[in-house]
Amino acid sequence: DTEVTQTPKHLVMGMTNKKSLKCEQHMGHRAMYWYKQKAKKPPELMFVYSYEKLSINESVPSRFSPECPNSSLLNLHLHALQPEDSALYLCASSQEGPNIQYFGAGTRLSVL
Amino acid sequence: AQTVTQSQPEMSVQEAETVTLSCTYDTSESDYYLFWYKQPPSRQMILVIRQEAYKQQNATENRFSVNFQKAAKSFSLKISDSQLGDAAMYFCAYRIPYSGGGADGLTFGKGTHLIIQP
Repeated sequence: DTEVTQTPKHLVMGMTNKKSLKCEQHMGHRAMYWYKQKAKKPPELMFVYSYEKLSINESVPSRFSPECPNSSLLNLHLHALQPEDSALYLCASSQEGPNIQYFGAGTRLSVL
Repeated sequence: AQTVTQSQPEMSVQEAETVTLSCTYDTSESDYYLFWYKQPPSRQMILVIRQEAYKQQNATENRFSVNFQKAAKSFSLKISDSQLGDAAMYFCAYRIPYSGGGADGLTFGKGTHLIIQP
């Protein structure tokens, strides 16, 4: 099983809302990632968690707040977003050794 | 910092023909991994093939194979017997190994949009 599950698939929110994106994997992977992908562009790394500790934050604005409650779950809390934050948000996970990142299907976010 | 360059924004190929997608990269690391991912309109990022830099043998996966030239920092993808289902955006990607608790993300090229003509 190489499945990474992201919910919700679509999300529409206003600039004053608070929402959360969820990502789950049961492959025993110890690294989890958030990427942001704008239309017709490659994914851009936002955050990396390794062994449930934040190891990389690519200078992401504080209106994005990641959380890794346990080794299987990764959340991205959203608050006071801007319309330019509208994008596809991809979650991925990987393990040491094979070094393959497995991606979820993404959450399509629209900020109005 | 590492960079990945895909110089072909779009490629078109007839069904059943062979097509090669180009990728070059720049890094000062000696140990790293290279990947080709495809992203169809359904937006799921799917691994196509993986190459370990310390292995000289080119990776193959069924109709997909790579030409890895480490000295030239080149990593091209060949798709044989192209099928309609191969139509997608193809991204070349690089990463250093995840080991010892330290993880790094993927660095992607800008992508090549592959069109399969019936």
